[in-house]
Amino acid sequence: EVQLVESGGGLVQPGRSLRLSCAASGFTFDDYAMHWVRQVPGKGLEWVSGINWNSRGTGFADSVEGRFTISRDNAMNSLFLQMNGLRTEDTALYYCVRDRRAQLPSDAFDIWGQGTMVTVSS
Amino acid sequence: QSVLTQPPSVSAAPGQKVTISCSGGSSNIGKNYVSWYQQLPGTAPKLLIYDNSERPSGIPDRFSGSKSGTSATLGITGLQTGDEADYYCGTWDTSLSAGVFGGGTKLSVL
Repeated sequence: EVQLVESGGGLVQPGRSLRLSCAASGFTFDDYAMHWVRQVPGKGLEWVSGINWNSRGTGFADSVEGRFTISRDNAMNSLFLQMNGLRTEDTALYYCVRDRRAQLPSDAFDIWGQGTMVTVSS
Repeated sequence: QSVLTQPPSVSAAPGQKVTISCSGGSSNIGKNYVSWYQQLPGTAPKLLIYDNSERPSGIPDRFSGSKSGTSATLGITGLQTGDEADYYCGTWDTSLSAGVFGGGTKLSVL
């Protein structure tokens, strides 16, 4: 079964850091670009960041550029999001998402995890 | 404020047809493929349409997509109560070098 399982979310104070992880299974991980998409509960979807299959290309939303870093470990079938300088507006459910393509720009997001909640609050 | 514009809500009766519009610009819909996602209450989004009009395996042909210029449309025929969900359009914005979504449309099947 194709599956993405996120972890690492939680409650964190403004200005602190958090690292999200995504474990992929059921498919050849390094055949696909991967992304993080977030959603404030009750609100719409926001693309956060994406990374090529070989890590040689990445992209970030303006809202997180310079604060977030995306990486992947193809040997471990894992995707990561390092979030530094967290702000209250980063509070959201973060989804790990598979792209239909191997590299950016994205074509479509065909597999979604269930998400991990990040709450930034003092 | 989303880069892509969708109506906040649409409604129709069971068995009827509904369309959801998605309006963008020359740097996003005008240049790239559009995809559509269905988000049932309390669940993660699911891909419904990719490459403007293609359906992944398992998606019934009641769902269809089209694109013209800088706008796209999702069509749903034979509405069922189980289709009640939020629907999002998405694409890549070449100028922003970023993925972009519409604000979402809530479908009510009355």
